[in-house]
Amino acid sequence: AQSVTQLGSHVSVSEGALVLLRCNYSSSVPPYLFWYVQYPNQGLQLLLKYTTGATLVKGINGFEAEFKKSETSFHLTKPSAHMSDAAEYFCAVSVLGHNDMRFGAGTRLTVKP
Amino acid sequence: ETGVTQSPTHLIKTRGQQVTLRCSSQSGHNTVSWYQQALGQGPQFIFQYYREEENGRGNFPPRFSGLQFPNYSSELNVNALELDDSALYLCASSLTGQGMNEQYFGPGTRLTVT
Repeated sequence: AQSVTQLGSHVSVSEGALVLLRCNYSSSVPPYLFWYVQYPNQGLQLLLKYTTGATLVKGINGFEAEFKKSETSFHLTKPSAHMSDAAEYFCAVSVLGHNDMRFGAGTRLTVKP
Repeated sequence: ETGVTQSPTHLIKTRGQQVTLRCSSQSGHNTVSWYQQALGQGPQFIFQYYREEENGRGNFPPRFSGLQFPNYSSELNVNALELDDSALYLCASSLTGQGMNEQYFGPGTRLTVT
């Protein structure tokens, strides 16, 4: 079965600094990979997704992620953090033919002024 | 385009009681998935409904059940509530077709069991 591991339950960066949130996946078949963001007391909002094709995926709010099959990774990055980026971020994996989406435990991003 | 809505927003129940949570899918979507998100954890898949039938289930006991209606809205029912059922329950809608379609989440229902 597919799964994801998010490295680091809490990441803290200064405003304007690079954001790097790590996600590694496990899947015996080609995966579909997602990053979601959750603000306090809200549902999940899709940031970006990888299905097939280009391995560098650009999402909303300046975020991007690169699918690296050799490293089984799908890390999320943003060149310059903004205060509004403070939230919980979830990496998720699914595969064609399976109805469930498997989520990581989440990484809480704090942005310091 | 109407997004995914859930009701109620918050709910407090007593152990042993039953609860029904409701979800209206996004316009044009025909599939609804339910997730449980315990405090400090990622969402866990409960089940999915497509064409009014259960179309996949996670590792949850039978006291978690659901329905999907002809208008694609859905209910999640939990019987014999336990303290560990306290969580944020998320509904997500999608359009089942070729390929993997992303799921759009509602704001959730926060259930507290005392």
